[in-house]
Amino acid sequence: DIQMTQSPSSLSASIGDRVTITCRASQSISSYLHWYQQKPGKAPKLLIYAASRLQSGVPSRFSGSGSGTDFTLTISSLQPEDFATYYCQQSYSTPCSFGQGTKLDIK
Amino acid sequence: EVQLVESGGGLVQPGGSLRLSCAASGFMFTSYAMHWVRQAPGRGLEYVSAISSDGGRTYYADSVKGRFTISRDNSKNTLYLQVGSLRAEDMAVYYCARGVTVSYAMDVWGQGTTVTVSS
Repeated sequence: DIQMTQSPSSLSASIGDRVTITCRASQSISSYLHWYQQKPGKAPKLLIYAASRLQSGVPSRFSGSGSGTDFTLTISSLQPEDFATYYCQQSYSTPCSFGQGTKLDIK
Repeated sequence: EVQLVESGGGLVQPGGSLRLSCAASGFMFTSYAMHWVRQAPGRGLEYVSAISSDGGRTYYADSVKGRFTISRDNSKNTLYLQVGSLRAEDMAVYYCARGVTVSYAMDVWGQGTTVTVSS
C-alpha cells in the first residue's frame, strides 16, 4: 500500500501569510494527488484535484503543485476562514490513502 | 442541489453489525463511483471502501476486509455499507463521498453518520 506523509503536522500562521504544506508519497503516484480542507465537525471539502487543478468555487489563493512523489499545497495569503486541517490523498492505487493531516491555526 | 445524506449509524455492541446508507440526489448516481471514508474521534481521515458506478468492482481497506461490505442500489440512488464484527477501533464518523471520473478525487461529501461501538 502507498503511504502518504504530510509535513508539518501542525502550523501556526498569521492572516496574510503565505503557507506551504508538503505531501510525500512512498512511491510514484503520477498526478493522482488531491487536497482537502476540513473544519471541526464538518465533512472534508475538495480544494485541489490531480495535483494542481483548482476545484470549482475554491478561491484562487489556493494552489497545488508536484508530481511523482512530492507535492505541495500553497495558500498565498491566509484568510480567517482558512484555519482548518488539510489532508492530501492519493488515488493512484487502491486502497486510496490519506496523509495524516496538517492542522493550521492562528499564531 | 447535489447532495449526499448518510443514515444508519448508532450505538452497537462489540461484535455487532449495522447497515449504513447514503442517499444521493441532484446528480446522475449511476455515472459515479462512490466511496466510504471514516474518521475516528480526534483522528485523521481513513479510507474504508469504494464501489464502481455499476457495482461490479469493490475495494476495501485491509482493516475492514472480510467484515464490511459495500453495495449500491442504482434504482434507489443509494449507497450502502454493511459493517459487521465491529470493534472499538471501528468507532468513527462514516462519510460517503462521490468519486470524480478520471482523477478519482472525492468532490461531494455527506455530513457523516456516527458509529459508536460500546458494551
